[in-house]
This record gives sequence, C-alpha cells and structure tokens, in this order.
Amino acid sequence: DVKVTQSSRYLVKRTGEKVFLECVQDMDHENMFWYRQDPGLGLRLIYFSYDVKMKEKGDIPEGYSVSREKKERFSLILESASTNQTSMYLCASSLTGRLNTEAFFGQGTRLTVV
Amino acid sequence: AQTVTQSQPEMSVQEAETVTLSCTYDTSENNYYLFWYKQPPSRQMILVIRQEAYKQQNATENRFSVNFQKAAKSFSLKISDSQLGDTAMYFCAFVGGNQGGKLIFGQGTELSVKP
Repeated sequence: DVKVTQSSRYLVKRTGEKVFLECVQDMDHENMFWYRQDPGLGLRLIYFSYDVKMKEKGDIPEGYSVSREKKERFSLILESASTNQTSMYLCASSLTGRLNTEAFFGQGTRLTVV
Repeated sequence: AQTVTQSQPEMSVQEAETVTLSCTYDTSENNYYLFWYKQPPSRQMILVIRQEAYKQQNATENRFSVNFQKAAKSFSLKISDSQLGDTAMYFCAFVGGNQGGKLIFGQGTELSVKP
C-alpha cells in the first residue's frame, strides 16, 4: 500500500517561530511537492523537488524554504512563521518521466500560527 | 503560464442523480494531461480520472466520465448515479510536457450528495 506520510495533522505555532513540516514517501518517487490549500484558492504550489537536493520554486515560495537530503523525505520550512501562513499544507509525490503519472498525497497538516 | 479555473465553488445533487462539474484551463502546450482529484472530508486526496490531450476519446472510470473539449480548453467531470460517498472537494488539475511534472490545480468544487 503506497504511502505519503506527513509528520503532523495539526500544529499550533507562535508568530516568529521556525516551523518544520516533514513528509516521507515510500514509493521511491523522484518528484515531491508542497502545496498550500486555502478555501476558494485551491491548491497552490509552494515548492517542487525533482531529485535529491534539487528544488524549484512554485507559485508562492515567499516565506518558505525546503530541504531534500534523501529521496524519500521532503521538508517544508517556515523561516519565521506569520499569521498569514495559517493554512492546510499538503505534501505529494509522483514518478518522473511520465505526464500521466498519478500524484499521491499525504493527509495534510493543519497549521495555525498565533 | 498555465491556469486552471473551476467556477463552481459549491454544488449539490440528490443521491442517484447525475452531476457535472466544470473546469477550464489555459495553456499554449500541445502535450499535456488533465486530472480530476477527489478530497473527501477525511482529507486524503485521491485520483478520480485522467485524460491525455492527444486522445479524442473521453476517459471513463465506472460512474465517472469526462467531457474533454480541447479547442474550448474545457474538461468537465460527470458523476452518474451519485452516491453519498461522492461527497467531497473535487479538484481539476493540469500537467504540461514542459512543466517537469508539476501539477497545477483549480480552486476546487465542493460537492454535496444529499439523500
């Protein structure tokens, strides 16, 4: 059974804290993604990684960074959390090389910044 | 830049009826795929159906089918014989040949199936 696991389902952090969201996949996928989901805005891509140590900015990278030191793990880092980063964060992974490849998603992390 | 637009924030349908969710997209690419994903209240996003741009035949998966109009850049999802378990957020998504596998999503449509 394929799996994408996000380390937390719910997080509450204080403004200014450095926040780490972790994602692990067990499918040996090359591609990994971090999306932010907000009502009425759908899923917006924050960062994308197509290989270990490789990353590309998505549509809304400001205030975020990522780390991919191992193929199975993709971390999203909020350098200094702000209240406008309160949101649902979704991690996903997929195979590279085929456009029709299915993306697999984690359960999501609901982050609240107070 | 590619964009995906879902203009129906919410829809409802009676159990056993048919419902159609709309999606339009904009791209200059010729080689791409379109997807519909479903996110039930439990939040795990799953793939419903996918369509290759080069295929004229509309994709079908059991009760789910698409109406793909390439010239109009339209990709609607039809759910037949709606079931209570179809209640979910539905997202239309696009991946282009020049995008390195990046999925671009629409705003989502929240579908409620009523008994």
